[in-house]
Amino acid sequence: DAMVIQNPRYQVTQFGKPVTLSCSQTLNHNVMYWYQQKSSQAPKLLFHYYDKDFNNEADTPDNFQSRRPNTSFCFLDIRSPGLGDAAMYLCATSERGKDYEQYFGPGTRLTVT
Amino acid sequence: DQQVKQNSPSLSVQEGRISILNCDYTNSMFDYFLWYKKYPAEGPTFLISISSIKDKNEDGRFTVFLNKSAKHLSLHIVPSQPGDSAVYFCAADWGATNKLIFGTGTLLAVQP
Repeated sequence: DAMVIQNPRYQVTQFGKPVTLSCSQTLNHNVMYWYQQKSSQAPKLLFHYYDKDFNNEADTPDNFQSRRPNTSFCFLDIRSPGLGDAAMYLCATSERGKDYEQYFGPGTRLTVT
Repeated sequence: DQQVKQNSPSLSVQEGRISILNCDYTNSMFDYFLWYKKYPAEGPTFLISISSIKDKNEDGRFTVFLNKSAKHLSLHIVPSQPGDSAVYFCAADWGATNKLIFGTGTLLAVQP
């Protein structure tokens, strides 16, 4: 089955210790997104890639970076995690021109100790 | 400033009855509205959408209604089934921005 895979599902990191979350897709979609969702809040878009074109949201902290080495993979790097970065991180994909229909992975739950 | 609002954090409905989930928005530039469904430990999955030029879209047991003058949309599920128990997110798309704005979700519990 075509899908969006996120690894790991649960990640614990220490305050200030860099962490990388990964996402892969078998849907061959052009667009990939990273969302942050905190408890009882709406998923919040951090950035997205249109093919290799990177689009950063204006209010995404500089602490968050992303890489997309190829169509299938996308990484979220948090350079110096703070306690406030503990959240669910969701990866999603969509076809070009159909950004309203996004396919989500199961998410990675990040805990910062 | 939340552009998409779901004011009911939870809703409980008896099996077989109608579930009505509500959503309000503030940005008149939105041109597509969507509902996503999320089970625990899974990512949201696309459920149904409606273009801003329509006022109703139906797919099986699911119907979405759009009232542009009130900036309000609703999702009707009839009849409700226990398997419908999930968090439902309302989302809006502004084509010019290529991104979705989500609401905070409503937890629907369908009681057998």
